[in-house]
Amino acid sequence: QQQVKQSPQSLIVQKGGISIINCAYENTAFDYFPWYQQFPGKGPALLIAIRPDVSEKKEGRFTISFNKSAKQFSLHIMDSQPGDSATYFCAEGAGNMLTFGGGTRLMVKP
Amino acid sequence: KAGVTQTPRYLIKTRGQQVTLSCSPISGHRSVSWYQQTPGQGLQFLFEYFSETQRNKGNFPGRFSGRQFSNSRSEMNVSTLELGDSALYLCASSLAGQQETQYFGPGTRLLVL
Repeated sequence: QQQVKQSPQSLIVQKGGISIINCAYENTAFDYFPWYQQFPGKGPALLIAIRPDVSEKKEGRFTISFNKSAKQFSLHIMDSQPGDSATYFCAEGAGNMLTFGGGTRLMVKP
Repeated sequence: KAGVTQTPRYLIKTRGQQVTLSCSPISGHRSVSWYQQTPGQGLQFLFEYFSETQRNKGNFPGRFSGRQFSNSRSEMNVSTLELGDSALYLCASSLAGQQETQYFGPGTRLLVL
């Protein structure tokens, strides 16, 4: 059973817009919350990750916001580009054992 | 630096057969994890190996097994294949104790007929 609820399942954004994907977790014992990007025919690639003692982390156009009290975290993609079109997965983990959300298929229209 | 290598990339088997998938981690990575990816269940953790020992195991039946060799290469085996085992099997490797170094391979796509 999935312990990380991810939404939306799919998202269409115009080029230059902001893409926002949300995740809610249940297990407060986990201390690692990564986001992965997956293109068709490829394995997932780590995009950005955060730990619960930090409320926000930014790397380039990608930002994770973490709300420990609400047990939620989100990915913001600023200035979305057609090359960002992919499936995005959030996850929670302890060590290398990750529990993934169901994925969000993002399409960025030119 | 070469990435995670998985062989074979594609495989077709019939129900009841068994299959062995191979994973070569990034040089220096001693932790290897396996995941199953299906449209219905998404990405699910199978097991993790470190220094030839299984460190964690997901909620899969005993038909799914794995091992790791002294050179950190890993294999997973699925016996008595079922139609529902059709999936993309992904291997990920990482440096010991460094989650942010976890890299996935391209996967092995298994089709069970």
